[in-house]
Parts: sequence; structure tokens; C-alpha cells
Amino acid sequence: EVQLVESGGGLVQPGGSLRLSCAASGFTFSTNWMHWVRQGPGKGLVWVSRIKSDGSSTTYADSVRGRFTISTDNAKNTLYLQMNSLRAEDTAVYYCARGGGDGYNKPLDYWGQGTLVTVSS
Amino acid sequence: DIVMTQSPDSLAVSLGERATITCRSSQSVLYSSNNKNYLAWYQQKPGQPPKLLISWASTRESGVPDRFSGSGSGTDFTLTISSLQAEDVAVYYCQQYYSTPPTFGQGTKVEIK
Repeated sequence: EVQLVESGGGLVQPGGSLRLSCAASGFTFSTNWMHWVRQGPGKGLVWVSRIKSDGSSTTYADSVRGRFTISTDNAKNTLYLQMNSLRAEDTAVYYCARGGGDGYNKPLDYWGQGTLVTVSS
Repeated sequence: DIVMTQSPDSLAVSLGERATITCRSSQSVLYSSNNKNYLAWYQQKPGQPPKLLISWASTRESGVPDRFSGSGSGTDFTLTISSLQAEDVAVYYCQQYYSTPPTFGQGTKVEIK
């Protein structure tokens, strides 16, 4: 059974940093693209970033490029999102999700339960 | 970026009746080389993560009830729930994965009338 479990969310001050983790199990982690998607309070879904699980390719939304870094540790089957220079508008539930199949342009077929990040003083 | 626009924003349907949600993309998401539409539908129930219902515009995921169906091509797509059940109360999102960044519609909230 595919499982994705996020952790690392919390309350952080503007300008601060946080690292999210997503522990994956039930599939061969190194063969899929992995994504982060966020959802602000009462808002819709917004794609944040993706990575080829071997780490060879990464892409970011304009709103986070230069502040967020996505990475993987294949030995631990874990996806990360390092978030720096956080702003109030980054407040959201952050979901990790698996790209379904080979290639980056695939639907997101499994999602974690999400971790809440609140940026506030 | 491709803009995805859903309509309506919300709808209330009686149990057993049909619910129809439309999704329009600002440019075609049909890839001519393989004739596939790079369009997915997700269901999000309160307090839960999104769940993939339909991919490639019309392919139902394993375990998804057959009352859910997707149709359309190019820029215009539809999600239909043929006979609404109580457990279908949720917000539904369309998403294009044709180009970067992947983008979602704003969501359509489905309730029971």
C-alpha cells in the first residue's frame, strides 16, 4: 500500500525557515516524480515544486523559486522541502504527492495527509 | 501559465440526481503526438487530502465508482456524477498537467439539496 506521511510543519515567524519531510512507503521511491502542493486556509490547491526522485531534475513555482528547495534521500525514501525566507502568504497545508508513472507530466495519484505551516509573528 | 476555470463554484443537487461540473483551460491540453488530454479530476472531502478520481480526462482510477465520469477534449471538460450519493459531498478540482506549472481550477463545492 502506498503511503506518504508528511511532518515538520509548525508556527514560524516571517523571514524564518522550516524543513518539511515526506516519508514514502509501498512503492519504489526512485522511479517516480514527487511533488509538493499547498492549500491556503479555505483556499484551493496550488502546485509548489517537483523533483525527479533521483534528484536530477527540479522545478519550482515562481512564487517560491529562490526561497524553497526540494530534495530527496533515496536511502530513506524521503522527500524534503526546505523553506527559507518565509512569508505570511506561505501559510498553508503542504501536501506531498506522487506523480503517477514515468515522466513529470502525470496526474498526482497518491497524496499525504498534509502538514500545516503557519507564518506569523 | 494555463488558467483552469471551473463552473459553477458551488452546486446543490438532490440525492440520486445528476451533478455536472465543467472545467475550461486557457489553452489546449491535448497533446497531439499521443492524442491524450492531460487533464485530471480530484475529489477533496472536508479535512482530507485530495483524491485522484479521473486522469487523461476520462480514465477512472481503480476503485472509483462508475457514477463518476469525465469527458471533453482540448479546452473544455466535464465531470459528471450520474446519481449523487451522500458520500460525494466534497470539493472537486480539475488540474492540467500538460505544461509547467501544473495548475488547478478554483474548485467546485458539491452539496446535497
